Amino acid sequence: DVKVTQSSRYLVKRTGEKVFLECVQDMDHENMFWYRQDPGLGLRLIYFSYDVKMKEKGDIPEGYSVSREKKERFSLILESASTNQTSMYLCASGSLGVGELFFGEGSRLTVL
Amino acid sequence: QKEVEQNSGPLSVPEGAIASLNCTYSDRGSQSFFWYRQYSGKSPELIMSIYSNGDKEDGRFTAQLNKASQYVSLLIRDSQPSDSATYLCAVLGGASKIIFGSGTRLSIRP
Repeated sequence: DVKVTQSSRYLVKRTGEKVFLECVQDMDHENMFWYRQDPGLGLRLIYFSYDVKMKEKGDIPEGYSVSREKKERFSLILESASTNQTSMYLCASGSLGVGELFFGEGSRLTVL
Repeated sequence: QKEVEQNSGPLSVPEGAIASLNCTYSDRGSQSFFWYRQYSGKSPELIMSIYSNGDKEDGRFTAQLNKASQYVSLLIRDSQPSDSATYLCAVLGGASKIIFGSGTRLSIRP
């Protein structure tokens, strides 16, 4: 079975802290994605990557950065967390050019 | 205009009836379309994909695509309580960018 593992299910951070969310997939997928999900807004794409060291901005990249040093690992970084970044963060992976995504269980981040 | 639009619902359908979920998209060049199901507290999972105009059937699910109207739909026949979930429409755009709609919440009433 495809497995996408997110490092933390629940995090509580303070405003201004640096936050790392890590995602690892075991299917050798080229594509990896970070979304955030908020009530009424659905899944919004933050960043995606189609290859090691490659990244593309999604619809809401402001306040976030990403890192993909290895094919299986895609990290989302909040340089200075703010309360409006309180959300559920979902990582997903998929094969290049194919729209079937496999999602991790999500990381619920609360910024106080 | 949002790239992918869905009615948020909730859509309430009696058990055994047909549930009809709709989605429109703005990028006329999009070629691949998907329906994901998300149960409360869980992550989305793919249930249907469709790439060409017309209907695609898989069990109780039928996906319909009309590229001229930029419209995708999902029909669920013989709706069951276990079909109660949020259904997300997704579109594959350029550079492998996958955009989701905000989802339609479906409730099947016994």
